[in-house]
Amino acid sequence: QVQLQESGPGLVKPSETLSLTCSVSGGFISSYYWSWIRQPPGKGLECIGYISNSGSTNYNPSLKSRVTISRDTSKNQFSLKLNSVTAADTAVYYCARVGLGDCSGGRCYSAFDIWGQETMVTVSS
Amino acid sequence: DIQMTQSPSSLSASVGDRVTITCRASQSISSYLNWYQQKPGKAPKLLIYAASSLQSGVSSKFSGSGSGTDFTLTISSLQPEDFATYYCQQSYSTLWTFGQGTKVEIK
Repeated sequence: QVQLQESGPGLVKPSETLSLTCSVSGGFISSYYWSWIRQPPGKGLECIGYISNSGSTNYNPSLKSRVTISRDTSKNQFSLKLNSVTAADTAVYYCARVGLGDCSGGRCYSAFDIWGQETMVTVSS
Repeated sequence: DIQMTQSPSSLSASVGDRVTITCRASQSISSYLNWYQQKPGKAPKLLIYAASSLQSGVSSKFSGSGSGTDFTLTISSLQPEDFATYYCQQSYSTLWTFGQGTKVEIK
């Protein structure tokens, strides 16, 4: 059974870089797409971006200039880096597996089928 | 961006009620629509994918329907464990977006 375990600091200073790692057990990260999602306190869910099974990435345009998602296949981990953070980046951050279904016309049915536990990250001096 | 709008934003219902939540996309997304349940302090849980397919292990009291721009999630008989916030999410475009959520509360 695939499980995701997030790790990283819960407090980051303004203008610094938020770094989180998601360790995957029970499956290989090279077989799936993986994503980071965040949820500001009391608000809805926002997809930050994903990394594909081939290592290509896709980011939310609103965050694209500040975000990097990478992976380490030797450790079966993928990571999030968000630089120049502000209070607006305070949120619960989740890592998730992207399950892929049937594909047609260049599109594949996909959904976040396995999630890590929530990691609250506060941006404050 | 494809905007996802859920209605209502919240609802009060009783145990045993049939509950329907609606999600509307700002453009056609075919059947690239998923539904999630989130309880306080927990990660979301996938309920329905591809608009109407029940995720493995999820109770059959949950059902989804729709295509194009209009979708619904139905809970056939609300139970105490179903009080939560429900989100729709589209996977049609490369920027996956969620609805704002519908909170289902106890009447």
